[in-house]
Amino acid sequence: AQSVTQLGSHVSVSEGALVLLRCNYSSSVPPYLFWYVQYPNQGLQLLLKYTSAATLVKGINGFEAEFKKSETSFHLTKPSAHMSDAAEYFCAVSVETGANNLFFGTGTRLTVIP
Amino acid sequence: EADIYQTPRYLVIGTGKKITLECSQTMGHDKMYWYQQDPGMELHLIHYSYGVNSTEKGDLSSESTVSRIRTEHFPLTLESARPSHTSQYLCASRSMGLTQETQYFGPGTRLLVL
Repeated sequence: AQSVTQLGSHVSVSEGALVLLRCNYSSSVPPYLFWYVQYPNQGLQLLLKYTSAATLVKGINGFEAEFKKSETSFHLTKPSAHMSDAAEYFCAVSVETGANNLFFGTGTRLTVIP
Repeated sequence: EADIYQTPRYLVIGTGKKITLECSQTMGHDKMYWYQQDPGMELHLIHYSYGVNSTEKGDLSSESTVSRIRTEHFPLTLESARPSHTSQYLCASRSMGLTQETQYFGPGTRLLVL
């Protein structure tokens, strides 16, 4: 079975500070990992994804994530937070099943303090 | 930019009414999904489809039904809405390719049943 755990349902950072959103996964087979962002009243938008090509993945809006198999983690980071980064962030895992659906974490709401 | 659309965006309806949530995509994707999202909870898969005339139930039991008569269209129907159906419903699609293919999400329908 596969699952995702996001530590911290709410994270607050000051504008310009480092953003770190944590994600740990559980999967019996090599996973594919995704980070999605959801702005208020909108659907989910893909930030980045890990597909085994490289452990450090760069995404849109200056975000990146590093796949660490030994720690079963895929934490999302951004060196300097911007006000526009305030949103909800979801980590998800997908494996080779018939549906190829995503298994999501419970999300982390990021607040950026001016 | 993903071309996946959901209507209505918001719906307030009385108990016992029949409702249909529309989802359409113009990307020619074979696989389509419906997820249910409650505040502070992970998204749960309720239905998916491999293509025309294919529908499957997801991980989360739902009283809703779906149909897939055309590739681009994947509507979700509730025959008799109840307050327990109040939630946000997100539609997604992806191509039939590798597991790491991106799922694209619509903006969601926020449903309130009184």
